[in-house]
Amino acid sequence: GAGVSQSPRYKVAKRGQDVALRCDPISGHVSLFWYQQALGQGPEFLTYFQNEAQLDKSGLPSDRFFAERPEGSVSTLKIQRTQQEDSAVYLCASSPHSIGGKEETQYFGPGTRLLVL
Amino acid sequence: SQQGEEDPQALSIQEGENATMNCSYKTSINNLQWYRQNSGRGLVHLILIRSNEREKHSGRLRVTLDTSKKSSSLLITASRAADTASYFCATDEWGNEKLTFGTGTRLTIIP
Repeated sequence: GAGVSQSPRYKVAKRGQDVALRCDPISGHVSLFWYQQALGQGPEFLTYFQNEAQLDKSGLPSDRFFAERPEGSVSTLKIQRTQQEDSAVYLCASSPHSIGGKEETQYFGPGTRLLVL
Repeated sequence: SQQGEEDPQALSIQEGENATMNCSYKTSINNLQWYRQNSGRGLVHLILIRSNEREKHSGRLRVTLDTSKKSSSLLITASRAADTASYFCATDEWGNEKLTFGTGTRLTIIP
């Protein structure tokens, strides 16, 4: 199991419900990213961690979105009071090096498909 | 917001033919990467080309980059049914690892 894993793979939530999406990056990877992919669109950046530090959260669409990576490995993306427009696939990616490193390839997990009713 | 646009949005070709997809972007970049996404699955990294490179090959893939035109192309030669997928280009900027994706090309290979 060397790849990025995400759970759950599918989540159905009622509008107003809170959800938590988990990402297990590749072991030892310094950088971790969350992206949101709407149906038929390319992924859009949400937030980025270098180890446990959240260095960029400029893509989070509202203050209902919160991400953490407390020990520098597993990350959780939390969405509070979900809305229908939050329905999307949430992708997690990790890469081995921090900014300035030579390896920039990001390795993606399978995603969590969130449907808000 | 989407950085770039892929062209065409959809492409259907016969197995064995070559497929060419184009990507345009808006800002100065450090690297440009191409990813493949099968329906309902995650993204698979195909190839990375740096801003100081003009062409790169990997197996049946050939990528070109024209920074003066802010565009890239992906050529898949001798296509196979298994190449059916969506293809995305993604760029990053100096000192910033986040990827900005295009809108994707949906490629269908007809057996």
